Amino acid sequence: KAGVTQTPRYLIKTRGQQVTLSCSPISGHRSVSWYQQTPGQGLQFLFEYFSETQRNKGNFPGRFSGRQFSNSRSEMNVSTLELGDSALYLCASSRTITRSGANVLTFGAGSRLTVL
Amino acid sequence: SQELEQSPQSLIVQEGKNLTINCTSSKTLYGLYWYKQKYGEGLIFLMMLQKGGEEKSHEKITAKLDEKKQQSSLHITASQPSHAGIYLCGAAFTGAGSYQLTFGKGTKLSVIP
Repeated sequence: KAGVTQTPRYLIKTRGQQVTLSCSPISGHRSVSWYQQTPGQGLQFLFEYFSETQRNKGNFPGRFSGRQFSNSRSEMNVSTLELGDSALYLCASSRTITRSGANVLTFGAGSRLTVL
Repeated sequence: SQELEQSPQSLIVQEGKNLTINCTSSKTLYGLYWYKQKYGEGLIFLMMLQKGGEEKSHEKITAKLDEKKQQSSLHITASQPSHAGIYLCGAAFTGAGSYQLTFGKGTKLSVIP
């Protein structure tokens, strides 16, 4: 069973540019979440999508956006890049596994973005 | 202050030694997740705890959630170099079915052969 696939794995951009990152979830997983990981702030929640609808959004500026397609694949976009956007962007897909509704997030390997 | 505090921040142990990592929450936990991360890579799921007093084990790793559901510990018995990495605890604060996890800053574990 294929895992969560993120592309590209590495990319370098300059300030002011925009970037689009892609995430293909595990087959059958309908929820996709995005997280940003930096040395200073650690792992922070960006947003979560289910059936093409954004259900939750973290505390990030409007420059960060995302979408989900009908096949559950998701993309996130960051516009007008700033130096502080340099980070590892992780995507996770999940399905409900217990009666209580708990979910286990399965993470991809991440996309490492460097902004110069 | 952080909603989820991990301690210690880093740990260096000799191969074969036991170790414990703690995760303390400022709020009631609806779910507590332990992940391991190799530097710069994705997170690997280890265990999930939901009920107060719950304890789970996998190979040489045991995780517990205290009765009040505000603290969890991860214990590794007879550590091996393969255990090295960053251990992260993640918490569901808004409900058991939450997809939005809050993570601690991580504990970096080094195991010396």
